[in-house]
Amino acid sequence: QQQVKQSPQSLIVQKGGISIINCAYENTAFDYFPWYQQFPGKGPALLIAIRPDVSEKKEGRFTISFNKSAKQFSLHIMDSQPGDSATYFCAACRSNYKLTFGKGTLLTVNP
Amino acid sequence: DGGITQSPKYLFRKEGQNVTLSCEQNLNHDAMYWYRQDPGQGLRLIYYSQIVNDFQKGDIAEGYSVSREKKESFPLTVTSAQKNPTAFYLCASSIVEEQYFGPGTRLTVL
Repeated sequence: QQQVKQSPQSLIVQKGGISIINCAYENTAFDYFPWYQQFPGKGPALLIAIRPDVSEKKEGRFTISFNKSAKQFSLHIMDSQPGDSATYFCAACRSNYKLTFGKGTLLTVNP
Repeated sequence: DGGITQSPKYLFRKEGQNVTLSCEQNLNHDAMYWYRQDPGQGLRLIYYSQIVNDFQKGDIAEGYSVSREKKESFPLTVTSAQKNPTAFYLCASSIVEEQYFGPGTRLTVL
């Protein structure tokens, strides 16, 4: 049973545009929602994370929007750059610290 | 320079052989994790350990074994019982929920 569903599988955006990746979860006990960025052949890097007590968190060009009632959260990348081209994973976690990952979104930003 | 190291970066194994993947961290994190990554499958948890000398199975533990004798080290053994071991293996450690990943080991079975 997949507990975190991520969409789209792949995304192509023009330089300067906004990239939006969505995730939905089922388990209402989840209380920590991170996003990871992974370049080919490398380990994932923690990008930004949010808890359910806030609806939005922004760090530079990256913003997480969180909708607790809909059990959805999304990553927005403003002013997307070719260097942002990577695979992005959402995840969710309960207090036991076990992360459940989405299947990933391959983002391509064209120059 | 703090971080997580995994070795080797590439590993080739013949069918029927056991191999051990190394993971070391100097972040003083209590918890450590092993994940397997296959194309289009995301990251799947193999084993995790929250304290020394204790570890739990994740979602896909069959054919794998681990040990946690030191806080800094969490080696993973891929045994001959693992039916399809070719994959990218990632080690992580965490302080509370924030997990940090190593650079990975790519295992190929010949």
